[in-house]
Amino acid sequence: QSVLTQPPSVSGAPGQRVTISCTGSSSDIGAGHDVHWYQQLPGTTPKLLISDDSNRPSGVPDRFSGSKSGTSASLAITGLQAEDEGDYYCQSYDSSLRGRVVFGGGTKLTVL
Amino acid sequence: EVQLVQSGAEVKKPGESLKISCKGSGYSFTSHWIGWVRQMPGKGLECMGIIYPGDSDTRYTPSFQGQVTISADKSFSTAYLRWSSLQASDTAIYYCARSVGPTASDAFDIWGQGTIVTVSS
Repeated sequence: QSVLTQPPSVSGAPGQRVTISCTGSSSDIGAGHDVHWYQQLPGTTPKLLISDDSNRPSGVPDRFSGSKSGTSASLAITGLQAEDEGDYYCQSYDSSLRGRVVFGGGTKLTVL
Repeated sequence: EVQLVQSGAEVKKPGESLKISCKGSGYSFTSHWIGWVRQMPGKGLECMGIIYPGDSDTRYTPSFQGQVTISADKSFSTAYLRWSSLQASDTAIYYCARSVGPTASDAFDIWGQGTIVTVSS
């Protein structure tokens, strides 16, 4: 059971917009820790997609955007493309005890 | 080029010990956290723990505390993940990943290629 909660799956047709939610608690996202998002395409290593809630690393298309409010965060993907199909994970930090990095359970994006 | 290169795939029997490695290059190894992330077959990402090679500050996720040992040798710019007694449930891909900056809550921007560990009798 993951510390951060994501929907198991989302889907959308090419060109559409989808969002993936990530819900945490008062000791992680709600404590003000940044949320990061990763994309893992089939058979590949995870890739940083969004850092610090809403920053896109160099090379990430502006179709991907992130936001955060309270104890939740969201990843939005606009202009959906077939090559976006894969798994998406949110990550934050839990400052309880000595601190630990926490991931969401992952969301499988299907492009219809 | 900034990169993390992990040791090769391992096939072990239950009860055996194992130590896998993650060598960093192209950056100051002591100034970024290294995290170890497990991905069991068909499952999601789980962070086992993180280490700051500069001072060996190590933070384990509670479910992995006592099950594995994370260490780093800054002389060799290499981080390690060790098991003293493997179980079949340790079968997974293990990734190391580098934090963007010196803060434990920073994103992981560079990932190793992954080490496949198979534990089977």
